Amino acid sequence: AQSVTQPDIHITVSEGASLELRCNYSYGATPYLFWYVQSPGQGLQLLLKYFSGDTLVQGIKGFEAEFKRSQSSFNLRKPSVHWSDAAEYFCAVGREYGNKLVFGAGTILRVKS
Amino acid sequence: DGGITQSPKYLFRKEGQNVTLSCEQNLNHDAMYWYRQDPGQGLRLIYYSQIVNDFQKGDIAEGYSVSREKKESFPLTVTSAQKNPTAFYLCASSAGQGGEKLFFGSGTQLSVL
Repeated sequence: AQSVTQPDIHITVSEGASLELRCNYSYGATPYLFWYVQSPGQGLQLLLKYFSGDTLVQGIKGFEAEFKRSQSSFNLRKPSVHWSDAAEYFCAVGREYGNKLVFGAGTILRVKS
Repeated sequence: DGGITQSPKYLFRKEGQNVTLSCEQNLNHDAMYWYRQDPGQGLRLIYYSQIVNDFQKGDIAEGYSVSREKKESFPLTVTSAQKNPTAFYLCASSAGQGGEKLFFGSGTQLSVL
C-alpha cells in the first residue's frame, strides 16, 4: 500500500533562512508526487508536482522539490523563507489508478522574525 | 471566478443526527472528492466520484454517504453511524485522472454537540 511520511511535525526557521521539508514515500511504481500548502481553516493549494522527467521541479512562491528515486524522497526547499510562508505543508503521492492521493500527516512551518 | 464552494463553514451535529455538507464546483470538472482532516493525520479519502451518477468508497467511507446527481454538486452526508464525526472536511475536484491537480474548497468544520 502507498504511504507518505513527513518526519517533522513542526519546523521553525528564521525569516530569510533556507528551508527544507522532508517527504518519504512508499510506492511500487513511478509515483506522481505533490506538495500542497494549507493556511489555517482553509483548503489546500498546489505548490508543485512531479510526474516524470527532470527530477528537480520548480513550483509557485519560489519553492522547488527534488525527486530522488534511490531514497524514495521528494523534499521541498526554498532558499529564503518569508513570514507569509508560515502554514502547514503536505506531501502526497498519487496512486496508480485515478487521482486518489495519499497524504502525509503534514509539517507545520513557523517563521520567526 | 471558477472554484469550489463548501457550505456551511461551521456545522454542529447532535447525537443521532444526520448532517449534510454541501460542495459545489463551477470548474466543469468530472472528478470530485471528499477528504477528512484530523490534526496530525493529514487528509484521508472518504468518497470520490469520477463521473455523474457514479461514486466509489475511499479509505474511510463507513458512516458516510454521497450522491452525484449533477456534475457540479457532490454533497456528503455524515450519518449517525459515524461515531467520531468531529473533523475538518475538504471537498476537491479535478479535471481528470492520473495525477491531475486537485482544486480544494475552503472546508467545513463539523463538531458534535
